[in-house]
Amino acid sequence: GDSVTQMEGPVTLSEEACLTINCTYTATGYPSLFWYVQYPGEGLQLLLKATKADDKGSNKGFEATYRKETTSFHLEKGSVQVSDSAVYFCALRKTSYDKVIFGPGTSLSVIP
Amino acid sequence: DTGVSQDPRHKITKRGQNVTFRCDPISEHNRLYWYRQTLGQGPEFLTYFQNEAQLEKSRLLSDRFSAERPKGSFSTLEIQRTEQGDSAMYLCASSRDNTDTQYFGPGTRLTVL
Repeated sequence: GDSVTQMEGPVTLSEEACLTINCTYTATGYPSLFWYVQYPGEGLQLLLKATKADDKGSNKGFEATYRKETTSFHLEKGSVQVSDSAVYFCALRKTSYDKVIFGPGTSLSVIP
Repeated sequence: DTGVSQDPRHKITKRGQNVTFRCDPISEHNRLYWYRQTLGQGPEFLTYFQNEAQLEKSRLLSDRFSAERPKGSFSTLEIQRTEQGDSAMYLCASSRDNTDTQYFGPGTRLTVL
């Protein structure tokens, strides 16, 4: 069945370090891909998305590129801040009305 | 948009009791989803409504679980005869037709003692 795999955490980085969180997916067809973020004590928020191959989603300095050939959607940021500390979920959706399938999440802690 | 709201935010109950949660989607969002999230895991799909019609149910949704959306606006999720394994965060999300983005509520955290 359809699934999402992402790198295990927790990930601890110093402020201004580079971030990469790997995400790969298994799905038939051409799903839309998402990164959601969950800050401590808050609900899930959409961070960015890409709907077709080679699309790049970006928001708040984060980027991810939809790579069909490697079935990947890695999350990157050039310089993390303490405020980026959160749990990040990679996800896919097959159609515009379908359920979202989430990965297990990667916890990120950024220390000053 | 005022966002998706859920009530209550926290619920503690004893095993065997029934609980009911409410979700109010963003107005004009005709699609409504319920998910369950256990500690250290990503959310897992439970069920989905388009307007008042329940169109899909996950195998996770046992006979003790029932969801309704009677007028196509708010939705309720009821768990009967709760078990300790039901302890989780229950998330609601909504979206418009033909859009990719689901907007999530803050969740209801259920603890079954």
